[in-house]
Amino acid sequence: ETGVTQSPTHLIKTRGQQVTLRCSSQSGHNTVSWYQQALGQGPQFIFQYYREEENGRGNFPPRFSGLQFPNYSSELNVNALELDDSALYLCASSFGGQHSYNEQFFGPGTRLTVL
Amino acid sequence: RKEVEQDPGPFNVPEGATVAFNCTYSNSASQSFFWYRQDCRKEPKLLMSVYSSGNEDGRFTAQLNRASQYISLLIRDSKLSDSATYLCVVNEGGGGYALNFGKGTSLLVTP
Repeated sequence: ETGVTQSPTHLIKTRGQQVTLRCSSQSGHNTVSWYQQALGQGPQFIFQYYREEENGRGNFPPRFSGLQFPNYSSELNVNALELDDSALYLCASSFGGQHSYNEQFFGPGTRLTVL
Repeated sequence: RKEVEQDPGPFNVPEGATVAFNCTYSNSASQSFFWYRQDCRKEPKLLMSVYSSGNEDGRFTAQLNRASQYISLLIRDSKLSDSATYLCVVNEGGGGYALNFGKGTSLLVTP
């Protein structure tokens, strides 16, 4: 069974730039969620994708957007980067329908630094 | 989004000690509950799900009290390798069935 993978592992960008982060879900999982974890904080929910559609969104501005592909992999795009976007971005995969309380399993994360 | 609150610690305990972590959540409609463990600069890893009947996995015991909206984790016979941050996590449903994390409780087990 293949676990959740994310790329890249580290990324450095400057303010105003755009970034795309990628996630491959665990084998057999059909749902992907994205979280942002600032230093010293718990992860904060950005959004979730199920069947290639956004299935819920946290308190993040529209410049955070995403996609899910037919193979259930996913991308997180952030436009107009701000210094506060510096964080660990975590992807989590799970199996379930649109209304699932199932366990979520995390990838190793992408550490984004915005200068 | 409602809050999940934990004592941030740190908890410094000697090897072999028993340590308990507590967590409260504010949304009474919450449906599923978990403890995750996170090592420094790594991803959270699922430690255990928490059920109303309570559940045990080796040295770890989790309890849920829905009436008090309270979750606990007990670690017996602490090992050096238990040193990590323990995250209390609630799935409230709605809005994407997202996980709502506490800030985590830091545990350091010393020789």
